Amino acid sequence: GAGVSQSPSNKVTEKGKDVELRCDPISGHTALYWYRQRLGQGLEFLIYFQGNSAPDKSGLPSDRFSAERTGESVSTLTIQRTQQEDSAVYLCASSGRSQETQYFGPGTRLLVL
Amino acid sequence: AQRVTQPEKLLSVFKGAPVELKCNYSYSGSPELFWYVQYSRQRLQLLLRHISRESIKGFTADLNKGETSFHLKKPFAQEEDSAMYYCALLGGAGNNRKLIWGLGTSLAVNP
Repeated sequence: GAGVSQSPSNKVTEKGKDVELRCDPISGHTALYWYRQRLGQGLEFLIYFQGNSAPDKSGLPSDRFSAERTGESVSTLTIQRTQQEDSAVYLCASSGRSQETQYFGPGTRLLVL
Repeated sequence: AQRVTQPEKLLSVFKGAPVELKCNYSYSGSPELFWYVQYSRQRLQLLLRHISRESIKGFTADLNKGETSFHLKKPFAQEEDSAMYYCALLGGAGNNRKLIWGLGTSLAVNP
């Protein structure tokens, strides 16, 4: 079946604008994760959804960042009033359960001018 | 605290040389550890997990609870092994378990 997909693949925006990034997980995967990968740096955890439980938002860097997930399907990550330091690749991953292998999407490359 | 440490940000070796990517962890329970790899212009993907005790692409990793380490090793590095490698620990508890990631090591295998 299809893997994790993300859209858009690239996004260029102006400082101060809002952006919305989308993730379509593998069908049937109950766990969904968002990560940020800045240039030359490691993987930074942002938020984690597991089934109908309250999401783990402990990695969100500020209140400008939020994410939603509709049931066990698509998720959107929203960044409000973007700043230049938000420029990064945003990765989404899903897994059957939290303990299982995470399957990653191709990422959305965000550039804030 | 639950933590994964990859002390080397960059590791450069010559083709055919042995390679070891270091990973140390901090976890009070029974750890479950993983290595993920990201090749250039490809998705991040699972390389191996310690409970499988597999050798993938010639790589092995042994869990050493005494030294709290899970180093990734390959006896003869190949140019196609050049990639970013992440060590991860399944942390948390109960129904709220998630991977805790190291910062990654960029491996460059030179011809």
